[in-house]
Amino acid sequence: DQQVKQNSPSLSVQEGRISILNCDYTNSMFDYFLWYKKYPAEGPTFLISISSIKDKNEDGRFTVFLNKSAKHLSLHIVPSQPGDSAVYFCAASDSSASKIIFGSGTRLSIRP
Amino acid sequence: DAGVIQSPRHEVTEMGQEVTLRCKPISGHDYLFWYRQTMMRGLELLIYFNNNVPIDDSGMPEDRFSAKMPNASFSTLKIQPSEPRDSAVYFCASSLGTGGWTEAFFGQGTRLTVV
Repeated sequence: DQQVKQNSPSLSVQEGRISILNCDYTNSMFDYFLWYKKYPAEGPTFLISISSIKDKNEDGRFTVFLNKSAKHLSLHIVPSQPGDSAVYFCAASDSSASKIIFGSGTRLSIRP
Repeated sequence: DAGVIQSPRHEVTEMGQEVTLRCKPISGHDYLFWYRQTMMRGLELLIYFNNNVPIDDSGMPEDRFSAKMPNASFSTLKIQPSEPRDSAVYFCASSLGTGGWTEAFFGQGTRLTVV
C-alpha cells in the first residue's frame, strides 16, 4: 500500500508555461513534505520542502502548495525551462520516525 | 564533503550469486537509508539506520536481503542469493536527524543487473 502517490507517470509542458506536478498521501502522521528532482544516471537531489504548519513555500521558480484536508500537495514550476526536464519525486516524512517515504515519480518533459 | 559515495556504480551478476553494495554516508550524518528504484514502485525504502542501529527494515523484500552498518562511515546491502527480479537501481542516502524536518542526500546509485 503506497502511502505517497503520484498518479501521473509523465507530463509534457511547453517551455515558458507552468508545470504542475501533483502528489497525494494517505498517512495523516506525515508532517514534512519534500520534492526531489532526478536526472538520468544520477541520484535524486533535494528541490524544495514544506512543513505541515504551512500551506505554501516558494523558492524562485518553484512553489509547493499543501492542502492538508485533502492530503494533497503540488509543485508548480513557472516558467518551465528545458533544464527542468527530469523525474520529480514527491516524498513525505513523519518527524517522529525520521524516515522519508517517496512516491513513484513523474517524468516531466519540457518541449520547445 | 564528497557527498554520499556508493560502489560499485554498476554490477552485473548471475542468478544465485551473492551481491554486496557499499555506501559511505556524509560525515556527521546520523541517518542512513537504503532505497531501491523500480519503474513500477518508484523509490522504495528498504531499511534505515540511526547512529548505526537498524530502525526499520520492514521494506526489505525477503530474507535474501540483509544490511549492516558496522560504523558511522560505512554500510552494506547484501543480496544472497540474487534473482533476476532484484535488478534495479539501489540508492543510499544520509541525513541529519533533526526531528525529521530535514532532507536526505543521495548517492549516485548502483545499477544492479541479475541475469
